[in-house]
Amino acid sequence: AQSVTQLDSQVPVFEEAPVELRCNYSSSVSVYLFWYVQYPNQGLQLLLKYLSGSTLVESINGFEAEFNKSQTSFHLRKPSVHISDTAEYFCAVSILLEGYTGRRALTFGSGTRLQVQP
Amino acid sequence: KAGVTQTPRYLIKTRGQQVTLSCSPISGHRSVSWYQQTPGQGLQFLFEYFSETQRNKGNFPGRFSGRQFSNSRSEMNVSTLELGDSALYLCASEGAGREAFFGQGTRLTVV
Repeated sequence: AQSVTQLDSQVPVFEEAPVELRCNYSSSVSVYLFWYVQYPNQGLQLLLKYLSGSTLVESINGFEAEFNKSQTSFHLRKPSVHISDTAEYFCAVSILLEGYTGRRALTFGSGTRLQVQP
Repeated sequence: KAGVTQTPRYLIKTRGQQVTLSCSPISGHRSVSWYQQTPGQGLQFLFEYFSETQRNKGNFPGRFSGRQFSNSRSEMNVSTLELGDSALYLCASEGAGREAFFGQGTRLTVV
């Protein structure tokens, strides 16, 4: 069974500092990778995704993540964080269960709470 | 395009009761998944429906059930509620790019 590990449950950082949220997964088959963000009492919002092609993907609000197949990682980074980035971030992996139907299973990590301090 | 809509947003129930939660996916999306989110267990997959058929199921007891209608709207039901069922229940529909679009969730409190 696939698993997703987010190594840090909480990451405190000062405003305008860089940040990296780590995500590792265990799967040897075809994977799609996602980062979601959740604000208090809200659902999850897609931040960025990797399906194929360029291993570096970017979001519209300055986050980026790089797919590293050899290290089975998909770390999320931002060069300069803002107070409004304070939220919980979830890494998710979708693996192919059945090739002929395209059925996939989506597994989430345990989440990393990013706390941006002034 | 409207997003995923979940109703109700908040619900308080008593132990032993049953509850039904509703989810309307994004128009055109045929896959609907349900998740339970708690502080202790994180996000856990309940089940997925595609074209009115359950396509995938997580490790939850039979008290948790669901269904999907021909218009892709989905409901999940929890019978004989327990205190531990208190959670945020999230519904998601799958887009063409394989990403999941989530609703705002239903916060269920069992007292």
